[in-house]
Amino acid sequence: EVQLMQSGGGLVHPGDSLRLSCACSGFSFSTYAMDWVRLAPGQGLEWLSAITDTGAQTFYADSVKGRFTISRDNSKNTLYLEMSGLGAEDTAVYYCAKSEFTRGWNYWGQGALVTVSS
Amino acid sequence: DIQLTQSPSFLSASVGDRVTITCRASQDISSHLAWYQQKPGRAPKLLIYSASSLQNGVPSRFGGSGSGTEFTLTISSLQPEDFATYYCQQLNSYPLAFGPGTKVDIK
Repeated sequence: EVQLMQSGGGLVHPGDSLRLSCACSGFSFSTYAMDWVRLAPGQGLEWLSAITDTGAQTFYADSVKGRFTISRDNSKNTLYLEMSGLGAEDTAVYYCAKSEFTRGWNYWGQGALVTVSS
Repeated sequence: DIQLTQSPSFLSASVGDRVTITCRASQDISSHLAWYQQKPGRAPKLLIYSASSLQNGVPSRFGGSGSGTEFTLTISSLQPEDFATYYCQQLNSYPLAFGPGTKVDIK
């Protein structure tokens, strides 16, 4: 069974940093690209970042470029999102997803709530 | 960057109604479009990929069509469990993008 288990969310202050993790099982993690998406209160889904299967290429939305870093450890079957310079606009539920490119994303993490507040 | 628009942004419908949601891309994305359903507190669920392919396990009342820049998601007979927010997603090129969403509510 494919599982994506997220951890690392929480309440942080403006300007703080936080790392989200997405531990994957039930599939060959090292052969799939992975993505991060968020859903802010009252907003729609926002794609944030992607990383190729080997980690050689990464992609970012303009809204997080330079502040967020996506990475992966294929030996641990785990995806990461390192977030820095957090602001209130980053308050959201963050999801990781297993990419099957043009076939869409059929597997998602359970979501991690990140709240940025003073 | 490719932008997606959806219409309507909100619709009120009754059980049994036929519902159509439109997604437009700012440039040609071939058939590289997916549709998702999201309910409060839940992760999105993939309904349709490659514009018109029904994901395994998704009821056949859901259908997708279109190519290029205009796409539609149709629910042939709305069921109580279908009241949710629906998003299109372009998978043609990075940066990827979602449409702003269409909330389907009970009339």
